[in-house]
Amino acid sequence: DVKVTQSSRYLVKRTGEKVFLECVQDMDHENMFWYRQDPGLGLRLIYFSYDVKMKEKGDIPEGYSVSREKKERFSLILESASTNQTSMYLCASSLYSLSRGQKKTQYFGPGTRLLVL
Amino acid sequence: GQQVMQIPQYQHVQEGEDFTTYCNSSTTLSNIQWYKQRPGGHPVFLIQLVKSGEVKKQKRLTFQFGEAKKNSSLHITATQTTDVGTYFCAGSGSSGNTGKLIFGQGTTLQVKP
Repeated sequence: DVKVTQSSRYLVKRTGEKVFLECVQDMDHENMFWYRQDPGLGLRLIYFSYDVKMKEKGDIPEGYSVSREKKERFSLILESASTNQTSMYLCASSLYSLSRGQKKTQYFGPGTRLLVL
Repeated sequence: GQQVMQIPQYQHVQEGEDFTTYCNSSTTLSNIQWYKQRPGGHPVFLIQLVKSGEVKKQKRLTFQFGEAKKNSSLHITATQTTDVGTYFCAGSGSSGNTGKLIFGQGTTLQVKP
């Protein structure tokens, strides 16, 4: 059974702290994604990675960085947390495919609800 | 950049009524996916549509992909309380990118028993 896990379900941090969110998938997927979810804004892509050590910016990368040292693990880093980064963070993974017809289902982790005080 | 707009943002229905959510893209999509997120849960894949004009059914759910591959809809017939949640459409661009999806804002469905 497909599984994506995230290191914490709930996290409380102070402004200025460095925050690490970890995501692990056991499906040998090449693609991994970090989103943030806010009411009325849907899922917004922060960063994604299609291979180890490869990363691409999504729509809202400012204030975030990522690390993919191993295929199964994708970390999201908030270098200096700010209150406007309070949100739900969702990690997802999917298979790599250049075929447009290939099902590219994204499998999501349970999410980390981050509160920055 | 590419955008996917989804309406309505919220919908409250009486159990047994029908429900529809609509998705529109600013550009042609290679395929579109639909996800459901239950309250307190995470998005779960429902279906993918690839062909122009494609219609797929899953029990009471009917999914359509427009002829121009720029819009899609999800229709639920005779809603039940188990249908409660947020429904997202997510489009994949025609550029052939590996797996990046552009998500709509989601439609949150409430069903009154």
